[in-house]
Amino acid sequence: TQLLEQSPQFLSIQEGENLTVYCNSSSVFSSLQWYRQEPGEGPVLLVTVVTGGEVKKLKRLTFQFGDARKDSSLHITAAQPGDTGLYLCAGRGSGNTPLVFGKGTRLSVIA
Amino acid sequence: DAMVIQNPRYQVTQFGKPVTLSCSQTLNHNVMYWYQQKSSQAPKLLFHYYDKDFNNEADTPDNFQSRRPNTSFCFLDIRSPGLGDAAMYLCATSRNRDRAYNEQFFGPGTRLTVL
Repeated sequence: TQLLEQSPQFLSIQEGENLTVYCNSSSVFSSLQWYRQEPGEGPVLLVTVVTGGEVKKLKRLTFQFGDARKDSSLHITAAQPGDTGLYLCAGRGSGNTPLVFGKGTRLSVIA
Repeated sequence: DAMVIQNPRYQVTQFGKPVTLSCSQTLNHNVMYWYQQKSSQAPKLLFHYYDKDFNNEADTPDNFQSRRPNTSFCFLDIRSPGLGDAAMYLCATSRNRDRAYNEQFFGPGTRLTVL
């Protein structure tokens, strides 16, 4: 069974600080996706990474896929209160295997 | 805008009383998924449809059923809800399921309360 471990589980920071959340596995994934979920809403896709070592930027968010495609990180620069939410990583194995979700990192950015 | 719509957003039912949750999509995607998400947990896949082909996860209880009458609509039926079935139910779609860029688009969810 493929598992994704996310850390930290909870993170509370001040506006303007930088942060990194991690998504780790012992399994190889063909792709990995990051979602943000706000309370009472469904997850919203932020990015998909496919190639080992790939780095993608989305404004203040930087996503990296590990060289071995077993892990990923999300770095947020100068966090804002609007970044508050649950950040979920989800990995896709080979063939028709469904997405495997991590338990998420709950981020709170305080003004 | 193309989207995934779930109705109702909030559903209250009684213990043992059947309930149906609805999902529709305007994305014309081939695959539709149902997930269960409990508080502070990751979404858990219950089943998915690839076109008309139903795929049940091995650990999904028999109490949960699904129907997909056409490309746009998919329903989740809970035959006899228990207190443990109270959760957020998320519908998602994707164009395909066998490619790396299997990006899933989620609806806003239906929060089910069981009294």
